[in-house]
Amino acid sequence: GQQLNQSPQSMFIQEGEDVSMNCTSSSIFNTWLWYKQEPGEGPVLLIALYKAGELTSNGRLTAQFGITRKDSFLNISASIPSDVGIYFCAGQLGAQKLVFGQGTRLTINP
Amino acid sequence: GAGVSQSPSNKVTEKGKDVELRCDPISGHTALYWYRQSLGQGLEFLIYFQGNSAPDKSGLPSDRFSAERTGGSVSTLTIQRTQQEDSAVYLCASSSSPPGSGNTIYFGEGSWLTVV
Repeated sequence: GQQLNQSPQSMFIQEGEDVSMNCTSSSIFNTWLWYKQEPGEGPVLLIALYKAGELTSNGRLTAQFGITRKDSFLNISASIPSDVGIYFCAGQLGAQKLVFGQGTRLTINP
Repeated sequence: GAGVSQSPSNKVTEKGKDVELRCDPISGHTALYWYRQSLGQGLEFLIYFQGNSAPDKSGLPSDRFSAERTGGSVSTLTIQRTQQEDSAVYLCASSSSPPGSGNTIYFGEGSWLTVV
Protein backbone atom coordinates (compact mmCIF):
# COMPACT_ATOMS: atom_id res chain seq x y z
CA GLY A 1 0.00 0.00 0.00
CA GLN A 2 0.90 3.67 -0.17
CA GLN A 3 3.63 4.69 2.28
CA LEU A 4 5.87 7.61 3.00
CA ASN A 5 9.61 7.31 2.54
CA GLN A 6 11.11 7.58 6.02
CA SER A 7 14.83 7.65 6.75
CA PRO A 8 16.99 6.44 8.23
CA GLN A 9 15.50 3.01 8.90
CA SER A 10 17.61 2.64 12.02
CA MET A 11 19.98 4.67 14.13
CA PHE A 12 22.56 3.66 16.73
CA ILE A 13 23.76 6.62 18.78
CA GLN A 14 25.43 7.51 22.03
CA GLU A 15 23.44 8.98 24.88
CA GLY A 16 23.52 12.76 24.68
CA GLU A 17 23.75 12.94 20.90
CA ASP A 18 21.18 14.71 18.76
CA VAL A 19 18.96 12.73 16.39
CA SER A 20 17.41 13.70 13.09
CA MET A 21 14.99 11.75 10.91
CA ASN A 22 12.80 12.74 8.01
CA CYS A 23 9.95 11.73 5.76
CA THR A 24 9.25 12.54 2.14
CA SER A 25 6.25 11.94 -0.06
CA SER A 26 5.44 12.25 -3.74
CA SER A 27 2.09 13.78 -2.85
CA ILE A 28 1.17 16.69 -0.62
CA PHE A 29 -0.36 16.50 2.82
CA ASN A 30 -2.01 19.09 5.01
CA THR A 31 -1.26 17.27 8.23
CA TRP A 32 1.99 15.68 9.36
CA LEU A 33 2.16 13.66 12.55
CA TRP A 34 5.06 12.06 14.41
CA TYR A 35 4.51 9.01 16.61
CA LYS A 36 6.69 6.93 18.88
CA GLN A 37 6.08 3.24 19.50
CA GLU A 38 7.61 1.20 22.29
CA PRO A 39 7.56 -2.62 22.43
CA GLY A 40 4.11 -4.02 23.08
CA GLU A 41 2.42 -0.65 22.85
CA GLY A 42 0.44 1.25 20.24
CA PRO A 43 1.95 4.36 18.67
CA VAL A 44 1.76 7.49 20.82
CA LEU A 45 1.49 10.93 19.25
CA LEU A 46 4.52 13.18 19.79
CA ILE A 47 3.95 16.20 17.58
CA ALA A 48 1.22 17.30 15.15
CA LEU A 49 1.82 19.80 12.34
CA TYR A 50 -1.00 21.45 10.40
CA LYS A 51 0.55 24.24 8.34
CA ALA A 52 3.29 24.33 5.70
CA GLY A 53 6.45 25.79 7.21
CA GLU A 54 5.28 25.20 10.75
CA LEU A 55 8.02 24.46 13.27
CA THR A 56 6.84 22.95 16.54
CA SER A 57 8.68 21.87 19.67
CA ASN A 58 7.69 19.50 22.44
CA GLY A 59 10.45 19.45 25.04
CA ARG A 60 13.58 18.06 23.39
CA LEU A 61 11.64 17.23 20.23
CA THR A 62 11.32 19.59 17.29
CA ALA A 63 9.44 18.90 14.06
CA GLN A 64 8.83 20.89 10.92
CA PHE A 65 6.22 20.73 8.17
CA GLY A 66 8.06 21.30 4.89
CA ILE A 67 7.19 24.29 2.73
CA THR A 68 6.43 22.02 -0.24
CA ARG A 69 3.98 20.03 1.98
CA LYS A 70 5.75 16.88 0.84
CA ASP A 71 8.20 16.42 3.68
CA SER A 72 8.76 16.71 7.40
CA PHE A 73 11.60 16.18 9.83
CA LEU A 74 11.86 15.31 13.51
CA ASN A 75 14.84 16.22 15.67
CA ILE A 76 15.57 14.96 19.16
CA SER A 77 18.19 16.88 21.11
CA ALA A 78 20.43 15.48 23.86
CA SER A 79 19.07 11.93 23.60
CA ILE A 80 18.40 9.91 26.74
CA PRO A 81 17.86 6.15 27.18
CA SER A 82 14.06 6.47 27.30
CA ASP A 83 14.07 7.87 23.76
CA VAL A 84 14.62 4.32 22.51
CA GLY A 85 11.80 3.09 20.29
CA ILE A 86 10.45 3.24 16.78
CA TYR A 87 9.47 6.64 15.41
CA PHE A 88 6.86 6.90 12.68
CA CYS A 89 5.87 9.83 10.54
CA ALA A 90 2.35 10.01 9.16
CA GLY A 91 0.70 12.25 6.63
CA GLN A 92 -2.90 13.04 5.87
CA LEU A 93 -4.70 15.06 3.21
CA GLY A 94 -8.10 16.36 4.19
CA ALA A 95 -10.38 13.56 5.37
CA GLN A 96 -8.42 10.83 3.57
CA LYS A 97 -6.72 7.97 5.33
CA LEU A 98 -3.59 8.50 7.41
CA VAL A 99 -0.48 7.17 5.65
CA PHE A 100 2.55 6.04 7.64
CA GLY A 101 6.27 5.91 7.01
CA GLN A 102 8.18 2.67 7.52
CA GLY A 103 9.59 3.83 10.86
CA THR A 104 13.00 4.72 12.27
CA ARG A 105 14.29 2.37 14.97
CA LEU A 106 16.36 4.31 17.50
CA THR A 107 18.90 2.54 19.71
CA ILE A 108 20.90 4.43 22.30
CA ASN A 109 24.16 3.29 23.85
CA PRO A 110 24.59 4.60 27.39
CA GLY B 1 -11.17 4.32 30.06
CA ALA B 2 -10.74 7.47 28.01
CA GLY B 3 -8.56 5.96 25.30
CA VAL B 4 -9.05 3.62 22.36
CA SER B 5 -9.76 0.15 23.67
CA GLN B 6 -9.04 -3.05 21.75
CA SER B 7 -9.86 -6.65 22.52
CA PRO B 8 -8.60 -9.25 22.76
CA SER B 9 -5.10 -8.02 23.53
CA ASN B 10 -3.71 -11.40 22.49
CA LYS B 11 -5.21 -14.13 20.34
CA VAL B 12 -3.73 -17.44 19.26
CA THR B 13 -5.78 -19.28 16.67
CA GLU B 14 -5.42 -22.30 14.45
CA LYS B 15 -4.94 -21.86 10.75
CA GLY B 16 -8.28 -21.88 8.97
CA LYS B 17 -10.30 -20.54 11.87
CA ASP B 18 -12.11 -17.19 11.82
CA VAL B 19 -11.22 -14.41 14.26
CA GLU B 20 -12.91 -11.20 15.32
CA LEU B 21 -11.06 -8.23 16.73
CA ARG B 22 -12.91 -5.44 18.45
CA CYS B 23 -12.22 -1.72 18.75
CA ASP B 24 -13.95 0.78 21.03
CA PRO B 25 -12.93 4.26 19.86
CA ILE B 26 -12.74 7.32 22.04
CA SER B 27 -16.25 8.56 22.78
CA GLY B 28 -17.40 11.10 20.21
CA HIS B 29 -14.75 10.20 17.64
CA THR B 30 -16.36 9.52 14.30
CA ALA B 31 -13.22 8.58 12.35
CA LEU B 32 -11.89 5.07 12.95
CA TYR B 33 -8.90 3.33 11.36
CA TRP B 34 -7.54 -0.20 11.30
CA TYR B 35 -3.85 -0.82 10.65
CA ARG B 36 -1.76 -3.98 10.64
CA GLN B 37 1.83 -4.18 11.84
CA SER B 38 3.98 -7.22 11.26
CA LEU B 39 6.92 -7.84 13.56
CA GLY B 40 9.51 -5.11 13.13
CA GLN B 41 7.61 -3.49 10.28
CA GLY B 42 5.69 -0.28 9.68
CA LEU B 43 1.96 0.28 9.82
CA GLU B 44 -0.07 -1.09 6.93
CA PHE B 45 -3.39 0.64 6.33
CA LEU B 46 -6.40 -1.68 6.21
CA ILE B 47 -9.66 0.29 6.40
CA TYR B 48 -10.95 3.72 7.39
CA PHE B 49 -14.44 4.70 8.57
CA GLN B 50 -15.42 8.36 8.49
CA GLY B 51 -18.84 9.20 9.87
CA ASN B 52 -21.64 7.99 7.63
CA SER B 53 -19.49 7.93 4.50
CA ALA B 54 -18.70 4.68 2.73
CA PRO B 55 -15.57 3.23 4.31
CA ASP B 56 -12.23 3.30 2.51
CA LYS B 57 -11.48 -0.41 2.18
CA SER B 58 -8.57 0.00 -0.19
CA GLY B 59 -6.05 -1.51 2.24
CA LEU B 60 -7.78 -4.81 2.95
CA PRO B 61 -5.34 -7.46 1.67
CA SER B 62 -7.92 -10.03 0.57
CA ASP B 63 -11.62 -10.86 0.69
CA ARG B 64 -10.96 -12.86 3.86
CA PHE B 65 -10.74 -9.52 5.65
CA SER B 66 -13.79 -7.42 6.46
CA ALA B 67 -14.74 -4.78 8.98
CA GLU B 68 -17.88 -3.14 10.13
CA ARG B 69 -18.73 -0.31 12.40
CA THR B 70 -22.06 -0.46 14.17
CA GLY B 71 -23.85 2.62 15.37
CA GLY B 72 -20.93 4.82 14.41
CA SER B 73 -18.94 3.60 17.39
CA VAL B 74 -17.60 0.08 17.99
CA SER B 75 -15.83 -1.61 15.09
CA THR B 76 -15.12 -5.26 14.46
CA LEU B 77 -12.40 -6.53 12.13
CA THR B 78 -13.06 -10.08 10.96
CA ILE B 79 -10.49 -12.36 9.38
CA GLN B 80 -11.90 -15.53 7.87
CA ARG B 81 -9.96 -18.74 7.28
CA THR B 82 -6.86 -17.31 8.93
CA GLN B 83 -3.44 -17.99 7.45
CA GLN B 84 -0.05 -17.87 9.13
CA GLU B 85 0.84 -14.69 7.24
CA ASP B 86 -2.06 -12.98 9.03
CA SER B 87 -0.03 -13.08 12.26
CA ALA B 88 0.56 -9.47 13.24
CA VAL B 89 -0.53 -6.72 15.57
CA TYR B 90 -3.82 -5.16 14.51
CA LEU B 91 -4.03 -1.54 15.62
CA CYS B 92 -7.14 0.58 15.82
CA ALA B 93 -7.12 4.39 15.96
CA SER B 94 -9.77 7.08 16.18
CA SER B 95 -10.08 10.83 15.74
CA SER B 96 -12.70 13.55 15.83
CA SER B 97 -14.59 14.38 12.66
CA PRO B 98 -13.36 15.63 10.34
CA PRO B 99 -9.65 14.81 10.81
CA GLY B 100 -7.63 17.95 10.50
CA SER B 101 -6.41 20.87 12.49
CA GLY B 102 -6.65 20.12 16.16
CA ASN B 103 -8.13 16.66 15.67
CA THR B 104 -5.31 14.28 16.47
CA ILE B 105 -5.46 10.55 16.00
CA TYR B 106 -5.09 8.21 18.94
CA PHE B 107 -4.13 4.54 18.84
CA GLY B 108 -5.16 1.59 20.94
CA GLU B 109 -2.56 -0.85 22.23
CA GLY B 110 -3.33 -3.37 19.55
CA SER B 111 -4.53 -6.95 19.27
CA TRP B 112 -1.67 -9.40 18.84
CA LEU B 113 -2.80 -12.22 16.55
CA THR B 114 -0.80 -15.41 16.17
CA VAL B 115 -1.95 -18.02 13.69
CA VAL B 116 -0.47 -21.47 14.30
